[in-house]
Amino acid sequence: GEDVEQSLFLSVREGDSSVINCTYTDSSSTYLYWYKQEPGAGLQLLTYIFSNMDMKQDQRLTVLLNKKDKHLSLRIADTQTGDSAIYFCAESPEAGGSQGNLIFGKGTKLSVKP
Amino acid sequence: AAGVIQSPRHLIKEKRETATLKCYPIPRHDTVYWYQQGPGQDPQFLISFYEKMQSDKGSIPDRFSAQQFSDYHSELNMSSLELGDSALYFCASSFRRQGPSYEQYFGPGTRLTVT
Repeated sequence: GEDVEQSLFLSVREGDSSVINCTYTDSSSTYLYWYKQEPGAGLQLLTYIFSNMDMKQDQRLTVLLNKKDKHLSLRIADTQTGDSAIYFCAESPEAGGSQGNLIFGKGTKLSVKP
Repeated sequence: AAGVIQSPRHLIKEKRETATLKCYPIPRHDTVYWYQQGPGQDPQFLISFYEKMQSDKGSIPDRFSAQQFSDYHSELNMSSLELGDSALYFCASSFRRQGPSYEQYFGPGTRLTVT
């Protein structure tokens, strides 16, 4: 079945790089996503990557995809206290005729210490 | 830029009551998704609509129903509420008409508390 796994916690110091990892199981997923959720808030789409890409960079964010190992990572350069949030990895499986609904991981809580 | 609007933002109901949650997608978006996020949990897909027709169905209880109207807004109707229905309910929208829906934007959510 479909499953997305992430480590639950990550703590870094301000100015360091953060790397949040994710593994997924559905090889039919065409797109893989990273969402950010601040306390009590909605889900903010940070970035996404097409499955035929290895890397995507968007300002401080770098997404790496290893399709063979079904491994996705999000690197945040120069992490700031405002980056403290829960980061969800999500896949959009196409198996079974699914039309775009997202399967989320449990989320990684990033804590940034000054 | 306009975002997804959800109302109400907070709702308190008693067990066995009914609730209606509303979602107004981003203008021009034709697809609406509903997700449920329990405390400390990841969002779980409930149901989606494309062009007013049900598109996909996830873990939506039989006590819940939803529809998408001609103006593309959607409503999630919840009956016989249980304590376990207390959660954040998110609506998301995307534009699918010209291809797969790559970008799915979420609303701020409706926090439902069942007492």
